[in-house]
This record gives sequence, structure tokens and C-alpha cells, in this order.
Amino acid sequence: AQSVAQPEDQVNVAEGNPLTVKCTYSVSGNPYLFWYVQYPNRGLQFLLKYITGDNLVKGSYGFEAEFNKSQTSFHLKKPSALVSDSALYFCAKGDSSYKLIFGSGTRLLVRP
Amino acid sequence: EAGVVQSPRYKIIEKKQPVAFWCNPISGHNTLYWYLQNLGQGPELLIRYENEEAVDDSQLPKDRFSAERLKGVDSTLKIQPAELGDSAVYLCASSSYQVPNEQFFGPGTRLTVL
Repeated sequence: AQSVAQPEDQVNVAEGNPLTVKCTYSVSGNPYLFWYVQYPNRGLQFLLKYITGDNLVKGSYGFEAEFNKSQTSFHLKKPSALVSDSALYFCAKGDSSYKLIFGSGTRLLVRP
Repeated sequence: EAGVVQSPRYKIIEKKQPVAFWCNPISGHNTLYWYLQNLGQGPELLIRYENEEAVDDSQLPKDRFSAERLKGVDSTLKIQPAELGDSAVYLCASSSYQVPNEQFFGPGTRLTVL
């Protein structure tokens, strides 16, 4: 069965420091990979996606993610964290049927 | 452009009562999804519609859950009867034919079953 793993329940980082939120996925064909962010009492907001092409994908709000096929990873990164980035982040994998398999989520806490 | 609209935002019911959730997708999006999100977990697909046809309902507990999208636009998800374990957030999402792998989510309906 397809799966997505987010090994960290929470990531803590100081404002202005770089941040990384980790994601690994199970291998099956060519993966479609996504990152979504969820703020309290809000729906999921799309950040970025990898379908094909460059391994470094740039998305909304200064976020980027690096696709690493050999490590089956798709880590989310940002060079300089903001307090307003504090939220719940979900990695997801899609397939040819466009069904999304989500990870369990990682809570990002950016302290001032 | 208006986003995905869901109502109600919150619902509290007694167990064994029926409940219904409504979703209006982004205009022009032919694909509609219902997801279940338990506390502390990622969303899980319940059902996917292509226009008015349910093309993937393998994860929908059909003994108590039902859904419809009669005119291929808005959709209703129903639970009858509700159980304590149904307490969760029910998310609706939609995507377009042109960009099928990018889903836009509504704010969700938070259901509490007492």
C-alpha cells in the first residue's frame, strides 16, 4: 500500500532561521508529491507540487521542496522562518487516479 | 475566485442521529472529493466524483455513509446513524479537468457526536 511518512510530529525553529520539514514516500511509479499547510479552523492550502522536471520546486510564501528520488524524500524548506509560518504541514502523494495519500502532519512552531 | 464552500462549519449531534454536510466546489471544477480528517492525522479520502459519477468510493463506509452529487456541481455527504467515532473534520475539495492533480480544499465541517 502506498504511504507517506512525516517522521517529526513537531519542528521548532527560531524566527529568521532556516527550516526543514521532512517527508518520505513509498515508491510506486512516478510520484506526484505535494505540500499543504493548515492553519487552525481552516482548510488545507496548497503550497507546492512536484510532478516532473527540476528536483527543486518553489512554491507559495517562500517555501520550496527538494525531490530526492534515491532517498524517496520530498522535504519542505524555507531559508528564513517567520512566526506566521507556524501551522500544521502535510505532505501528500498522488497517483494517476489523482487520489492523495497524506502523511500524518508536522506541526511547525516558529518562536520569535 | 470563490473557494470551496462548506456548511455547516460546526455540527454537534447526539449519537444515532442523522447529519448532512454540504459542499459547493470552485466553479468549473468537475472533480469533487470528500475527505475525513481525524484529530492529529492527515485527511483520508472517502469518495471522489467526476461530474456526477462516483468514481472512487472504496473508502466510504456504505452501511451508514452516503453521498450524492446529482447535477455534477454541489454535493452532500450524509451519515445515518452517527456514531461516537464519527467525530472528525469532514473536508471537501475540488479540482479542474485541466489541472487534475491540484486539489483545493474547503474549510471543513467539524462534527462532534455526543
